[in-house]
Amino acid sequence: DAKTTQPNSMESNEEEPVHLPCNHSTISGTDYIHWYRQLPSQGPEYVIHGLTSNVNNRMASLAIAEDRKSSTLILHRATLRDAAVYYCILRDTLRDFGNEKLTFGTGTRLTIIP
Amino acid sequence: DGGITQSPKYLFRKEGQNVTLSCEQNLNHDAMYWYRQDPGQGLRLIYYSQIVNDFQKGDIAEGYSVSREKKESFPLTVTSAQKNPTAFYLCASSPGTSGRTDGQFFGPGTRLTVL
Repeated sequence: DAKTTQPNSMESNEEEPVHLPCNHSTISGTDYIHWYRQLPSQGPEYVIHGLTSNVNNRMASLAIAEDRKSSTLILHRATLRDAAVYYCILRDTLRDFGNEKLTFGTGTRLTIIP
Repeated sequence: DGGITQSPKYLFRKEGQNVTLSCEQNLNHDAMYWYRQDPGQGLRLIYYSQIVNDFQKGDIAEGYSVSREKKESFPLTVTSAQKNPTAFYLCASSPGTSGRTDGQFFGPGTRLTVL
């Protein structure tokens, strides 16, 4: 299975943009890039996903490198409620067609400084 | 409101006892999942089900059992064969083949402590 690499932790100031990196150098052509986040003592929450093009939604933006070997989750204006562990996950659409079976790593713990 | 419910939030059991964790969803999702999370770690997949009356082992199925008799329910039994059952258990669902997917939806989790 393709693996992802993320920094263990990051800090950011409140109300500033946050760029969370993810490396996935062994990504295959059928792997989608998914991002989830987990607030303390809660279940993970879907954030965004993409294949090749950059994606935007109400929560965040996902910037995908042209060679797809890395991606960046962008929180445009961090708030204290964005403090969480962020997981970058690859999902093989061919192997797992019909379900969202995901493999979680240890993610990046984001701390927001007031 | 649609969502996933897990009960109870905290559960204590004596060593050697089987325990069943509840997971219910009213999202009309086909696929459901059980994950386990240990402190400071990511989630690990225990079992998943793509359709009623069918389920597959995940990465750490030993010592666990599941059933999927109804679309909305996917209970997990932690048996006495599970050597280290104390953990945070998370249930999730996704549309599966029944519709466009925007990701997996998670319940609030059950924290199981075996004494």
